[in-house]
Amino acid sequence: AQSVTQPDIHITVSEGASLELRCNYSYGATPYLFWYVQSPGQGLQLLLKYFSGDTLVQGIKGFEAEFKRSQSSFNLRKPSVHWSDAAEYFCAVGQYNQGGKLIFGQGTELSVKP
Amino acid sequence: DTEVTQTPKHLVMGMTNKKSLKCEQHMGHRAMYWYKQKAKKPPELMFVYSYEKLSINESVPSRFSPECPNSSLLNLHLHALQPEDSALYLCASSQQEAGELFFGEGSRLTVL
Repeated sequence: AQSVTQPDIHITVSEGASLELRCNYSYGATPYLFWYVQSPGQGLQLLLKYFSGDTLVQGIKGFEAEFKRSQSSFNLRKPSVHWSDAAEYFCAVGQYNQGGKLIFGQGTELSVKP
Repeated sequence: DTEVTQTPKHLVMGMTNKKSLKCEQHMGHRAMYWYKQKAKKPPELMFVYSYEKLSINESVPSRFSPECPNSSLLNLHLHALQPEDSALYLCASSQQEAGELFFGEGSRLTVL
């Protein structure tokens, strides 16, 4: 069955430090992959997406992610974290042959310390 | 205009009430979604409408009734809810099925 795993429930980084959030997926075909961010009490905002092509994708707010087929991973990175990046981050895989369903990972809560 | 607008932002209702959540998008998207999200959990898909027809119902209890009056509007009618139905209800739209989803801010529902 298709699944998405975010191994880290909670990560704390210092402001200005680099960040990597991990995401592993299980899917039989080439997946559509997404990273969303959610601030408390808010909806989800798309950070970036991978459909095909270049495996390193750039997103908004200085984020990037790299699709590695051999590792079934789609990790999110940012070279220098800002306090405003504190939020919940969700990785998701799209099932294009099942009518638009997105499978979300459990989320990683990011805290940023001064 | 790249927004998905949801109303109301907050709703408190008793178990015998009937209420509705509304969602609107003007991006020309042909797929619209309802998700339910409990605290500290990922969103869970409830319904998908594609070209104004219900294409996915994730075995949602009948006390939740979706409606898609036209390609821009999506409603979720609520009746005889339970306290465990209290959650953030998120509407989303996409240009096509399995494309990127654009989410609204959500409607925070509390059932007393």
